[in-house]
Amino acid sequence: KAGVTQTPRYLIKTRGQQVTLSCSPISGHRSVSWYQQTPGQGLQFLFEYFSETQRNKGNFPGRFSGRQFSNSRSEMNVSTLELGDSALYLCASSPVLWTGQGSYGYTFGSGTRLTVV
Amino acid sequence: QKEVEQDPGPLSVPEGAIVSLNCTYSNSAFQYFMWYRQYSRKGPELLMYTYSSGNKEDGRFTAQVDKSSKYISLFIRDSQPSDSATYLCAMSADKKAAGNKLTFGGGTRVLVKP
Repeated sequence: KAGVTQTPRYLIKTRGQQVTLSCSPISGHRSVSWYQQTPGQGLQFLFEYFSETQRNKGNFPGRFSGRQFSNSRSEMNVSTLELGDSALYLCASSPVLWTGQGSYGYTFGSGTRLTVV
Repeated sequence: QKEVEQDPGPLSVPEGAIVSLNCTYSNSAFQYFMWYRQYSRKGPELLMYTYSSGNKEDGRFTAQVDKSSKYISLFIRDSQPSDSATYLCAMSADKKAAGNKLTFGGGTRVLVKP
């Protein structure tokens, strides 16, 4: 069974540009959440999509956006890149939107390493 | 001050020793507690998931939650060099808002020496 696939694995962009990252969830998974990981701030929640709708959003500026397609694949976009956006961007998928009942079923991908120069 | 505090380490132990990791938190609303392992250039991998206070054991791993002290622990018995990784604690509050919005600690780097 294939895991969560994130593309590209590595990316170098220039300040001011925009970038789109892709996440293909495990087959059958309908929920996709995104996290940013930096050495200074650690892992921080960006947003989560379920059935093509954003269900939760973290405390990030509007430059960070995302979407989910009908096949559950998700993309996140960062516009007007800043040096501080350099990070590992991780997505996690789950069969359902977790409500605290039953097991916790999110699986993380290996991430996209974004470097802004 | 961060909501979840975790000693960054590194924590170096000899093979076969018990690894003891912990996190403290300030938000009393946290009820769901996880421990993740993250190898270099990989995403976090869930090790343990605990709801509310108490102990949970799974193989060589034991997770403890003390909500009265706002303190959680992870113990790894009979540590192996393959356990060398960064260990992250994560927490979630009341699930009125469904989803995967977790608050993570900064992670502790563990090195198990042969």
